[in-house]
Amino acid sequence: DAKTTQPTSMDCAEGRAANLPCNHSTISGNEYVYWYRQIHSQGPQYIIHGLKNNETNEMASLIITEDRKSSTLILPHATLRDTAVYYCIVRASKRSNDYKLSFGAGTTVTVRA
Amino acid sequence: DAGVTQSPTHLIKTRGQHVTLRCSPISGHKSVSWYQQVLGQGPQFIFQYYEKEERGRGNFPDRFSARQFPNYSSELNVNALLLGDSALYLCASSLEDTRAKNIQYFGAGTRLSVL
Repeated sequence: DAKTTQPTSMDCAEGRAANLPCNHSTISGNEYVYWYRQIHSQGPQYIIHGLKNNETNEMASLIITEDRKSSTLILPHATLRDTAVYYCIVRASKRSNDYKLSFGAGTTVTVRA
Repeated sequence: DAGVTQSPTHLIKTRGQHVTLRCSPISGHKSVSWYQQVLGQGPQFIFQYYEKEERGRGNFPDRFSARQFPNYSSELNVNALLLGDSALYLCASSLEDTRAKNIQYFGAGTRLSVL
């Protein structure tokens, strides 16, 4: 699976948009970009995923660059409950039966009042 | 709707003992995966099961084993526990096993402490 690079940590103000970057320069054509988050002592929570088009759901938006080498997760109006570790994952190797999630260290996001 | 449920939530064992962790997937999900998360690190893949067959295994010793039952629930077994096995053990379920867009949903985990 392609490797991802994320900043170790970032702060954002409550009510403002939080933009979380992720680099995945070795991504291949059949690999999706997934975002999960993990609030302290809980299991990871699925946020969003995409292949090459921008995606939006009730939680966030995912912007993938045209060359697919990087992406940005946008939390439009961050709240204190969005404080968590956010993981950017590139998933699915060329082997069709390999779909494990490979978590890195993620970005620790702290939303401040 | 019930999500992925894991039991027990917490467990304390001593070195050399054996432990069994249990997972019930979301209704209708046929695939279960297990992950280990050591404090301060991201989850690491241990096993993937689909339709009762092992489909993937991470870089863990043979002391770790798992199985999936006809109702798609799963057990993770760890023998001869070591202090380093202390971790949060996470179970995730998904509808299928092979499609890249398949989403894995995680349970709250079992916190294992080995003394």
